[in-house]
Amino acid sequence: QSALTQPASVSGSPGQSITISCTGTSSDVGINNLVSWYQHHPGKAPKLIIYEGSKRPSGVSNRFSGSKTGNTASLTISGLEAEDEADYFCCSHAHSGTLFGGGTKVTVL
Amino acid sequence: QVQLVQSGAEVKNPGSSVKVSCTASGGTFSIYTINWVRQAPGQGLEWLGGIIPLLGTPNYAQRFQGRVTFNADASTSTAYMDLSSLRSEDTAVYYCARMGGGGAMDVWGQGTTVTVSS
Repeated sequence: QSALTQPASVSGSPGQSITISCTGTSSDVGINNLVSWYQHHPGKAPKLIIYEGSKRPSGVSNRFSGSKTGNTASLTISGLEAEDEADYFCCSHAHSGTLFGGGTKVTVL
Repeated sequence: QVQLVQSGAEVKNPGSSVKVSCTASGGTFSIYTINWVRQAPGQGLEWLGGIIPLLGTPNYAQRFQGRVTFNADASTSTAYMDLSSLRSEDTAVYYCARMGGGGAMDVWGQGTTVTVSS
């Protein structure tokens, strides 16, 4: 199984919105709604920010939102803040196993 | 609030094995899947597999089959990952992570750095 496809980098200015795509296949992203997203600051453990495609865990800012169309999931960060600068990974959980995306580095200009 | 605490950094020779532990505190341990995920330098996250401590049945990612072994001891709330036949490409930070509802990993350990070098 290949990793899910994410853009290597996305950037935006403070206050702007950015969207990160995560493309898989009908055997992973497209097969169910079990897509999650993680924020990862270097040297720290990854943090769950979206689960089941669009749900936010308690304590996660509502500036983060998730969606899915077909075999592509998306993470949108609205009102970009300096603290959002990090790596973001999508993840698909299916019967065949769990797959991560290659990761997207978000830069706040 | 459950926390996962992992064992310390390891330096290993090529061809040897490494065992990393992950101990849970402050919550229920045995009914959740404990996943193992790694990140090699400059690379993305990679799933190695998982185990449900209550059942003791592991699920390994295909590319690690035969080289990785998961165990769990519910009495001490500890999960273990054993990776054998180490090579330089196994140099990475290894994380354990609890899989909550919906296949999401909601609690992570602090990571264990494994360096494979002669």
